[in-house]
Amino acid sequence: GIQVEQSPPDLILQEGANSTLRCNFSDSVNNLQWFHQNPWGQLINLFYIPSGTKQNGRLSATTVATERYSLLYISSSQTTDSGVYFCAVDGNRDDKIIFGKGTRLHILP
Amino acid sequence: DAGITQSPRHKVTETGTPVTLRCHQTENHRYMYWYRQDPGHGLRLIHYSYGVKDTDKGEVSDGYSVSRSKTEDFLLTLESATSSQTSVYFCAIRYSQLYNEQFFGPGTRLTVL
Repeated sequence: GIQVEQSPPDLILQEGANSTLRCNFSDSVNNLQWFHQNPWGQLINLFYIPSGTKQNGRLSATTVATERYSLLYISSSQTTDSGVYFCAVDGNRDDKIIFGKGTRLHILP
Repeated sequence: DAGITQSPRHKVTETGTPVTLRCHQTENHRYMYWYRQDPGHGLRLIHYSYGVKDTDKGEVSDGYSVSRSKTEDFLLTLESATSSQTSVYFCAIRYSQLYNEQFFGPGTRLTVL
């Protein structure tokens, strides 16, 4: 089945810094999502982005489907950005999605 | 708010007891999913449903069963709980028939002693 790898596994930054999180996948995909899991465990949808670029405030995401990767950019980080960021894809033309293991982000005040 | 509730939100039980977790949606969506989240593994699919009485297995279905007798409720049952089933369980729904974009409930933390 499709493999999803996220990097880096952990990232510690000072408040105000910018960051780039990467998601690589091993096969073509129809669907790619980015999620933020906050410190209380809630999973929040950030982007649905099988291809192209989207922006929402300080966050933006780009998926280059032909090269099998997606990037999540966080600018001017705030402490509330801390948590784990997951990407999830489907590539098997079925009803399932496969999650990467996440990037844990710590934003220091 | 994706209109998903899970109950209970926390449960502690003993090995060998049956446990049922409930996922409830208010918006009549066809697809519902159950995942478990464990350290080092991310989220893994247990079972999913694509309609009333229509279910299929996911990656980690052993030891779990599901039922969907009405659109709004998707039940996950551990027939005889084991310590390896200690986890956080998330339910998700999919809004669109065409796009597999999923939205998650708040989760249930289950501890099996």
